[in-house]
Amino acid sequence: ILNVEQSPQSLHVQEGDSTNFTCSFPSSNFYALHWYRWETAKSPEALFVMTLNGDEKKKGRISATLNTKEGYSYLYIKGSQPEDSATYLCAPGAGSYQLTFGKGTKLSVIP
Amino acid sequence: DTAVSQTPKYLVTQMGNDKSIKCEQNLGHDTMYWYKQDSKKFLKIMFSYNNKELIINETVPNRFSPKSPDKAHLNLHINSLELGDSAVYFCASSRYGGSGASSYEQYFGPGTRLTVT
Repeated sequence: ILNVEQSPQSLHVQEGDSTNFTCSFPSSNFYALHWYRWETAKSPEALFVMTLNGDEKKKGRISATLNTKEGYSYLYIKGSQPEDSATYLCAPGAGSYQLTFGKGTKLSVIP
Repeated sequence: DTAVSQTPKYLVTQMGNDKSIKCEQNLGHDTMYWYKQDSKKFLKIMFSYNNKELIINETVPNRFSPKSPDKAHLNLHINSLELGDSAVYFCASSRYGGSGASSYEQYFGPGTRLTVT
């Protein structure tokens, strides 16, 4: 089990603002880094899986970057919309099967 | 068509009882997981199965016993339920390739809210 830190814990932004969150993890024994989006009363949904240092992934207005050497990943949301309100979880994997989930960043987008 | 399903969705039972939660996936994945969402909303891995074989068994009391009758099913049986077992339990599945299951996104079921009274 890895020590995973996500910041901030929660965030309130106005509709249309762009925002970003951080996920920090031990850089040793790195295997993969997952980002999930978790809406209230639903189950987590995968956003990205990244494995290589310098990886950048994009899905619509959401993108993520990965730095395995220093042990961090950023998630960016451009032009936040109310439907982006959710908890965003990162989960690094130290082995071929096991992910350790962070506590998440709870995003609230105010219309 | 639900990709990962769990039954029941809600389970209320008394201390000391034995209960099971069922999980099925129709994605053709060969790796399945059980997670517990604790009181602080943390998702913690409990078990992982690959091709019906136990791969990960985190520090979970042995009152919890997973059973995988085939690759599409991973059930969780809990003996002698305790108050502290109250939580939401999520089942998930993923592919496994040569680079390992953690290189593939996981698909989660809707969760089972267990309440022990």
